[in-house]
Amino acid sequence: GAVVSQHPSRVICKSGTSVKIECRSLDFQATTMFWYRQFPKQSLMLMATSNEGSKATYEQGVEKDKFLINHASLTLSTLTVTSAHPEDSSFYICSATGSTGDTQYFGPGTRLTVL
Amino acid sequence: DQQVKQNSPSLSVQEGRISILNCDYTNSMFDYFLWYKKYPAEGPTFLISISSIKDKNEDGRFTVFLNKSAKHLSLHIVPSQPGDSAVYFCAAGLGGSNYKLTFGKGTLLTVNP
Repeated sequence: GAVVSQHPSRVICKSGTSVKIECRSLDFQATTMFWYRQFPKQSLMLMATSNEGSKATYEQGVEKDKFLINHASLTLSTLTVTSAHPEDSSFYICSATGSTGDTQYFGPGTRLTVL
Repeated sequence: DQQVKQNSPSLSVQEGRISILNCDYTNSMFDYFLWYKKYPAEGPTFLISISSIKDKNEDGRFTVFLNKSAKHLSLHIVPSQPGDSAVYFCAAGLGGSNYKLTFGKGTLLTVNP
């Protein structure tokens, strides 16, 4: 149980375009979802926290207008990277917790490459 | 500023021996610590955690030790198995929960048969 999926697993896009990444909890209701970014040889950095039906809370230094997060249901959150630039190329991972909030369950990640 | 540090990027151990992965933190407000394991092309999976009110937590072959005065924790795996080969992330949380975790950079453990 407690499976989190992400789609797509890998995406390549042109500079200036927008990319949407989906994060789904497959067998539990995710009251809270987290979005992380990981640059090569760096740690996972929390970007934002979202609760179903409310606005996401962004970490300091993360542009909310550039990284749009929508958590419309208890099983789906989306991250849209708007007007992507090469410096946005990174590994994006989501995680989710259920109502007990005991553990964060991570998705497999999405590798974004912006040309 | 790296608040959670894993200073060894890699560790190689022989099968059957003990693996010791280390983690240091700088923020004394952290009170909940976790270890995650990550295989290539997969997301991190939770391994074991410890609250700051304890100094040891054991789960099968995995034991986490916490030294609050030194702001140091370690993960012991014994005996190590080839299937344990993965990247291990140390993470720290506030308020006694795993909410808003701060991660280290990870240590690649290789267990040789």
